[in-house]
This record gives sequence, structure tokens and C-alpha cells, in this order.
Amino acid sequence: QKEVEQNSGPLSVPEGAIASLNCTYSDRGSQSFFWYRQYSGKSPELIMFIYSNGDKEDGRFTAQLNKASQYVSLLIRDSQPSDSATYLCAVSPFSGGYNKLIFGAGTRLAVHP
Amino acid sequence: GAVVSQHPSWVICKSGTSVKIECRSLDFQATTMFWYRQFPKQSLMLMATSNEGSKATYEQGVEKDKFLINHASLTLSTLTVTSAHPEDSSFYICSAIRDRGSNEQFFGPGTRLTVL
Repeated sequence: QKEVEQNSGPLSVPEGAIASLNCTYSDRGSQSFFWYRQYSGKSPELIMFIYSNGDKEDGRFTAQLNKASQYVSLLIRDSQPSDSATYLCAVSPFSGGYNKLIFGAGTRLAVHP
Repeated sequence: GAVVSQHPSWVICKSGTSVKIECRSLDFQATTMFWYRQFPKQSLMLMATSNEGSKATYEQGVEKDKFLINHASLTLSTLTVTSAHPEDSSFYICSAIRDRGSNEQFFGPGTRLTVL
């Protein structure tokens, strides 16, 4: 079982719609959860992080964390073509070092006009 | 800010040669830096954790004698790919922790290595 799992996609949504990206993780003791966006040929850029159960909103982005079910999601409202990228979920495991991140394989999002 | 740079941005080398990649934190001191490798259409794979003034911690399966990491100062870590072969061709990305105790990593722009 992979430590961090994401649907590879592509997830195709029309412009203006809500894109929903999901991620599950195996280490129940994980403490920190991150969403990164990566454009083709570029390095990842942080969108947001979440530490506590529930929702966290930042502009058009909302991260949702459910530690009991071991999943974290990212909602993108009013999706724009410029949001088309690969979204990486990253988890900081309880063991193996406080600062270490384990990345999922990423979900490719395509927003079409 | 938290700007991380890498040099070079791309490099092409012959099989058997060594290549050095630099990772610098430009506006902060980074006690911890990370080196990742990413193959096409795959996710980032952590290679090693680099701590200033100490030996790097390598992930399982990563050859420490092939991928030499030096973190000589609080703003610079280097990765040397020794005796590179075509299978080492990949996108190498570094990241740095700005705030002590934080998990937030700031990524460099990456280095595309092609070994002929």
C-alpha cells in the first residue's frame, strides 16, 4: 500500500466549476498535510497546508482534513484554465523525522473553457 | 520571503562524468534542506535530508556514494551525481525549511539532468 494515494486523473472540469481533489494516507499518526501545485516542467509551489480536522479556506481554495478517515481534500472554486496543473498531496509522517514530507503521485487537473 | 535557487537549471553530460547541482536559500538561513528526484509523470521521491554541518540522511535505496550531498553553510547545499549514467537522467529538485520546527518546505526551481 502506498503511503499517500491520489487519483492520477486527469480530472476535467469546465471553467467556473468546482474541482475536487482527494488524497488518502496510510500513517494514522500523520500530523501535517500540504497541497502543492506543479506545472509541467516546473517545481512544486505550495497552495496551502492544514493541521487540524475540518476545513481551511484561502481564497478560492479550501482544504478539508478528516484524520479519522485518513483523507485530505482540496476544493478549487471558480476553476480557471490557469489552474490546470498537477496537484500534489504531501503528508508529514509521525515517524521518520519531523520535517520529512511524503508526496502522492499527484492528480492532473484540466480546466477547459 | 523564502526564495530558493538552483544552479544549473539544466545540464547535459556524458555518461561517466560527475555533475554538481547547487541549492541556495537566498533570503533566509536553512538548517535543513531536502533533495528530491522526479521522473516524468511520477511524483517527487525524497532522496536525502541535508542538515548543515552534519552528514546527510539518505532514503532507503539511494546510494550515498553515488549521490554526494554537502551542506557546508546555512544557505548552500550541493548534490553531486558521480559517474552519471543515462538512468540518472531526471529532474532534481531541492527544498529548504525556513522556520525551525516547521514542516513547510520552499522549493527551488529544479535542475533537469540529461546523461547521454
